[in-house]
Amino acid sequence: GAGVSQSPRYKVAKRGQDVALRCDPISGHVSLFWYQQALGQGPEFLTYFQNEAQLDKSGLPSDRFFAERPEGSVSTLKIQRTQQEDSAVYLCASSLGQGHEKLFFGSGTQLSVL
Amino acid sequence: AQSVTQPDIHITVSEGASLELRCNYSYGATPYLFWYVQSPGQGLQLLLKYFSGDTLVQGIKGFEAEFKRSQSSFNLRKPSVHWSDAAEYFCAVGANSARQLTFGSGTQLTVLP
Repeated sequence: GAGVSQSPRYKVAKRGQDVALRCDPISGHVSLFWYQQALGQGPEFLTYFQNEAQLDKSGLPSDRFFAERPEGSVSTLKIQRTQQEDSAVYLCASSLGQGHEKLFFGSGTQLSVL
Repeated sequence: AQSVTQPDIHITVSEGASLELRCNYSYGATPYLFWYVQSPGQGLQLLLKYFSGDTLVQGIKGFEAEFKRSQSSFNLRKPSVHWSDAAEYFCAVGANSARQLTFGSGTQLTVLP
């Protein structure tokens, strides 16, 4: 596609449920990033992939968060046993090269945990 | 650790007026600096970036920013604001060896007719 696509756009989960958020990066982009944006805050880094390799997952807040990019294209961010503090917008970004020189962001998935 | 401070949570300007959004960063070496804009329901869009060289950088939509090492600042400017510039603006810092960006908390810009 022309841009980074994320689905679903909105997700409501009951506390304790598992959720999966999908990101389709721009075709051919090597790098893929996940960020979490809480209400009224700037995005915070979660994890980074270079092709299928997850090179940095230092921002994942707990072991309930898991991300994968098995074929070096589509990525999924999974949150197990969701908690209210997980409520945020989850942003995916991709870039052509191996760094963050120019990131292209998706519109995000707004997760609400009730 | 790197950090970014955007001191102004909300700024209101009249259409046609000049604009300056402040950004201060903390980083031990020469940083990579960015400004992104986020409109409601849209993804963040890169306005401009500084890696090295000329400290005054030009971006899209008529924006520019100046890197001042002595002040650890990277303020965003525009000489004449348009109503379509109303959005939230984020300053970010990155390191050469790392892949993650650290964002400020953003400045919400309102443009009055």
